[in-house]
Amino acid sequence: DQQVKQNSPSLSVQEGRISILNCDYTNSMFDYFLWYKKYPAEGPTFLISISSIKDKNEDGRFTVFLNKSAKHLSLHIVPSQPGDSAVYFCAASAINNNDMRFGAGTRLTVKP
Amino acid sequence: NAGVTQTPKFQVLKTGQSMTLQCAQDMNHEYMSWYRQDPGMGLRLIHYSVGAGITDQGEVPNGYNVSRSTTEDFPLRLLSAAPSQTSVYFCASSRLAGEETQYFGPGTRLLVL
Repeated sequence: DQQVKQNSPSLSVQEGRISILNCDYTNSMFDYFLWYKKYPAEGPTFLISISSIKDKNEDGRFTVFLNKSAKHLSLHIVPSQPGDSAVYFCAASAINNNDMRFGAGTRLTVKP
Repeated sequence: NAGVTQTPKFQVLKTGQSMTLQCAQDMNHEYMSWYRQDPGMGLRLIHYSVGAGITDQGEVPNGYNVSRSTTEDFPLRLLSAAPSQTSVYFCASSRLAGEETQYFGPGTRLLVL
C-alpha cells in the first residue's frame, strides 16, 4: 500500500510564477516529512523538511506547509526558475521508525 | 568527501545470475539504506542498517541480501536475478536513523533479461 501519495505525475509552470507540489499520506504515525529533488542520472538530494509540531517551514524560495488534520503537505516554490525543473519526491517517517516512505514523485517543468 | 558512492553505474544480468551492488560512504554515518526506484512507485526501501553488524528489512526485501561489516560499506546482493528486479537502485546514508535527512548515491541502473 502506498502510504505517501503524490497524485500529480507532472506539473508545468512559467518562470517567475509559483509552483505548488502536493503530497498526501495515510499513516497517522508519520511525524517527519521531507522533500527531495532529483535530476536525471543523479541521486535525490534533500530540499526541505518539516516536523509535525510545525505547520510551515521556509528556506529561501522553498516553503513546505503541513496540514496534519488533512494528512496533506505541499511544497511551494516562489519564484520558480528553470533550474528547478526536476522530479520532486515527498517522503515521510515516524519517530523511532527506520522505514522512510516515499511518494511516486512529481516532475516539475519550469518554462522560460 | 566523496559522499555516497555506488558501483557499478549500469549492469545487465541474465535471469538467475547473481551480483553485488556496492555502496560506500565516507561521512561516518551510522544509518545506511538501499532503495529501488520504479516508474510510478517512487523510492521503496529494500534493506537498511543502523550500524555495523545490524541490518533489517524494509518494504520490499525479497530477493535481496545485505550485510554491514564496516561503517563505510553496505553491499546489496542479488542471489538469483529476476526480470522483476530491473530497476534503478539507490544507496543512502544519514548520521542517524529516524529524523535525519539522507544523502543518496548516484544510483545503479540494473537490467535483468
